[in-house]
Amino acid sequence: AQSVTQLGSHVSVSEGALVLLRCNYSSSVPPYLFWYVQYPNQGLQLLLKYTTGATLVKGINGFEAEFKKSETSFHLTKPSAHMSDAAEYFCAVTPTGTASKLTFGTGTRLQVTL
Amino acid sequence: NAGVTQTPKFRILKIGQSMTLQCAQDMNHNYMYWYRQDPGMGLKLIYYSVGAGITDKGEVPNGYNVSRSTTEDFPLRLELAAPSQTSVYFCASRTRTLNNYGYTFGSGTRLTVV
Repeated sequence: AQSVTQLGSHVSVSEGALVLLRCNYSSSVPPYLFWYVQYPNQGLQLLLKYTTGATLVKGINGFEAEFKKSETSFHLTKPSAHMSDAAEYFCAVTPTGTASKLTFGTGTRLQVTL
Repeated sequence: NAGVTQTPKFRILKIGQSMTLQCAQDMNHNYMYWYRQDPGMGLKLIYYSVGAGITDKGEVPNGYNVSRSTTEDFPLRLELAAPSQTSVYFCASRTRTLNNYGYTFGSGTRLTVV
């Protein structure tokens, strides 16, 4: 069974500061990995995904994540936070099968302060 | 292109009542999913479908039923509502293409059982 752990349910950064949201996964085989963002009262939107190929993945809104197999991690970063980045972020994992049921982490709420 | 449409957006049910949460997608996606989101718990998979006529249980199926008579629609049925079913419900879909694992989410249905 796969699982995802997101360290820190709340993260607060100043505008312009580095954003780092942590995600570690547990899987018997290398999975596919995702980051989703959820703005208040909305559904989830895909930020980026890792399936195969380059381990540094760039997504929308200036976010990127690096798949590190040796550390079983897929941390999300952004060099400079903007007020509009305030949202909840979910890391998710799926096995490389056809049904591809996503397993989500518990989420990290990002607060951006002036 | 509407994407994934969920209705209603909000609903208050009394204990023991029943209702159907509607989900429709217009992207010709084969795979559809129902998740529930509870504070601090992330998203939990209730049921999923890999195509019309085929459904299967997810992580938390008790108290729910689904059907998939068409590619477009994937309704979720609550037969005897209980307070534990108070949650935000999200429907999602994706294509069958192996390289495209990004889910498209609806905007959610916020259900309160009193």
